Amino acid sequence: SQQGEEDPQALSIQEGENATMNCSYKTSINNLQWYRQNSGRGLVHLILIRSNEREKHSGRLRVTLDTSKKSSSLLITASRAADTASYFCATDAGAGSYQLTFGKGTKLSVIP
Amino acid sequence: NAGVTQTPKFRVLKTGQSMTLLCAQDMNHEYMYWYRQDPGMGLRLIHYSVGEGTTAKGEVPDGYNVSRLKKQNFLLGLESAAPSQTSVYFCASSSGDRVYQPQHFGDGTRLSIL
Repeated sequence: SQQGEEDPQALSIQEGENATMNCSYKTSINNLQWYRQNSGRGLVHLILIRSNEREKHSGRLRVTLDTSKKSSSLLITASRAADTASYFCATDAGAGSYQLTFGKGTKLSVIP
Repeated sequence: NAGVTQTPKFRVLKTGQSMTLLCAQDMNHEYMYWYRQDPGMGLRLIHYSVGEGTTAKGEVPDGYNVSRLKKQNFLLGLESAAPSQTSVYFCASSSGDRVYQPQHFGDGTRLSIL
């Protein structure tokens, strides 16, 4: 069963614009992670935010987490053509879990 | 710096054939995972391992078997391939405390079952 669900499914923007993707989940979590997948490649970890954190930054990435709404957002600022990829959120199943559950992803296209 | 290496990268099988997908990691990670990725479905966990000699079922384990005889290797077997197993298979590994560490992925094996 899918825990995280990304929104929108697809997003197309011009280079230099900001891109925002959202993730909603259903049950309590310990942390939420975001991954990027370039076409034909494996997933690459971007950022992890713990359940007691509200915001986290990494370079041009900003992630927020609202546990009361069971949602997270990923903001990519000043996008580049190289940011074109699919982005996935992943959540754990709570305390003691070994497993991550991935959403279906947001496909981002950045037009030069 | 290989990270996670999957072998083979592509394979075409006929229904009923068997094969083994190999995953090797050189990061001394304890945890290893096998996922399948289908269009519109995201990644789904097939099996995982929390250490050498251990395996456990994930969300979609039916039709697959796994083994972790060595810490660095995690094998995924299809005993009798079915067209429904046509997919892209990803292996991942992680270290540390359960899901608090990021997973490192290989580049996938693209498997077609005719």
